[in-house]
Amino acid sequence: GAGVSQSPSNKVTEKGKDVELRCDPISGHTALYWYRQSLGQGLEFLIYFQGNSAPDKSGLPSDRFSAERTGGSVSTLTIQRTQQEDSAVYLCASSLLASYNEQFFGPGTRLTVL
Amino acid sequence: AQKVTQAQTEISVVEKEDVTLDCVYETRDTTYYLFWYKQPPSGELVFLIRRNSFDEQNEISGRYSWNFQKSTSSFNFTITASQVVDSAVYFCALSVTNTGNQFYFGTGTSLTVIP
Repeated sequence: GAGVSQSPSNKVTEKGKDVELRCDPISGHTALYWYRQSLGQGLEFLIYFQGNSAPDKSGLPSDRFSAERTGGSVSTLTIQRTQQEDSAVYLCASSLLASYNEQFFGPGTRLTVL
Repeated sequence: AQKVTQAQTEISVVEKEDVTLDCVYETRDTTYYLFWYKQPPSGELVFLIRRNSFDEQNEISGRYSWNFQKSTSSFNFTITASQVVDSAVYFCALSVTNTGNQFYFGTGTSLTVIP
């Protein structure tokens, strides 16, 4: 399909383990965003990539969280030494260049840390 | 600082009633964009509308309408003759070009339409 895809759709892990979440944006979209949505909460901004510019990491909650975007396309969000409070749905979105362009969201990855 | 407030956490209406979802935003920038997104029970957010700060004309799309008022920093969303399929969480968002394209989302309003 032509939409944003994320994998896995569900991830259950044990506390202390590392996890990697993947996002495939829409082809041609230069901007990519990661958000976290906890149960019943709004969207918490995590990180933003725009082309080859340095990412905006201002939303990452701790140094256990990191993300990269290879070749301006696929992005991976890594959470090291997961904690129970990391349990949430992680959403990826992509958009064309500028902030006035709407974001297209993926279906999310539901992360459960036991 | 930028902020979006959706004071209504949950709303329930009976089918065919009209319902308005409130959104109040804060920004000192003069150029900004406002958005509404719908998140149905399936979970995937769907874009509904975008408005820029220089266009205060209200917009209507079918049963949906939006009222943008800069004087009150509000961008409210009205659903006319609600239907069960309108049941979802609705998010209002603000984007300000000077902050490097970051989007600021409200906490969402959960709408339940009762048949």
